[in-house]
Amino acid sequence: EVQLVESGGGLVQPGRSLKLSCLASGFTFSNYGMNWIRQAPGKGLEWVASISSSSSYIYYADTVKGRFTISRDNAKNTLYLQMTSLRSEDTALYYCARGATVDYWGQGVMVTVSS
Amino acid sequence: DIQMTQSPSLLSASVGDRVTLNCKASQNINKNLNWYQQKLGEAPKLLIYYTNNLQTGIPSRFSGSGSGTDYTLTISSLQPEDVATYYCYQYNSGWTFGGGTKLELK
Repeated sequence: EVQLVESGGGLVQPGRSLKLSCLASGFTFSNYGMNWIRQAPGKGLEWVASISSSSSYIYYADTVKGRFTISRDNAKNTLYLQMTSLRSEDTALYYCARGATVDYWGQGVMVTVSS
Repeated sequence: DIQMTQSPSLLSASVGDRVTLNCKASQNINKNLNWYQQKLGEAPKLLIYYTNNLQTGIPSRFSGSGSGTDYTLTISSLQPEDVATYYCYQYNSGWTFGGGTKLELK
């Protein structure tokens, strides 16, 4: 069974940093690209970043480019999202999701940016 | 950037109705479109991939169609458990979600 479990969220002040993790199981993690997608409270879905299976290709939404860094450790079956210079508009539930098809999603981790 | 526009934003229908949800892209996305269902408090679930392919385990009352810039998700006979928000998602050029259609029971 495919499982994606996010962690690392919480309350953080504007301008500070936070690092999210997503632990994958139930499939060969190193064979799949991975994604971060977020959802602000009461709002729709927003694609944030994607990384290829070997980390050769990385893409970001314009709203986070230069502030967020996606990475992965295939030996640990873990996807990461390093978030810096956080803003109130980054407040959202952050999901990790598998593959180019975006077929499986984690349950999400909440990030709240507030003073 | 490709924009995805879903209509209607809110849809009320009765159990057993045939329901059609629409998604329009700002340019040709070559059928590179998925549909997701998100129930309240849950993560999105993939229903349809590459326009018209039913994800494993999804009931056959769900179907997708379309080409070019216009795409449709159809529920052939609405069930109470289908109450949810539905999102389209293009991955032809970049990655973009539509704004969603909230489906409720009349």
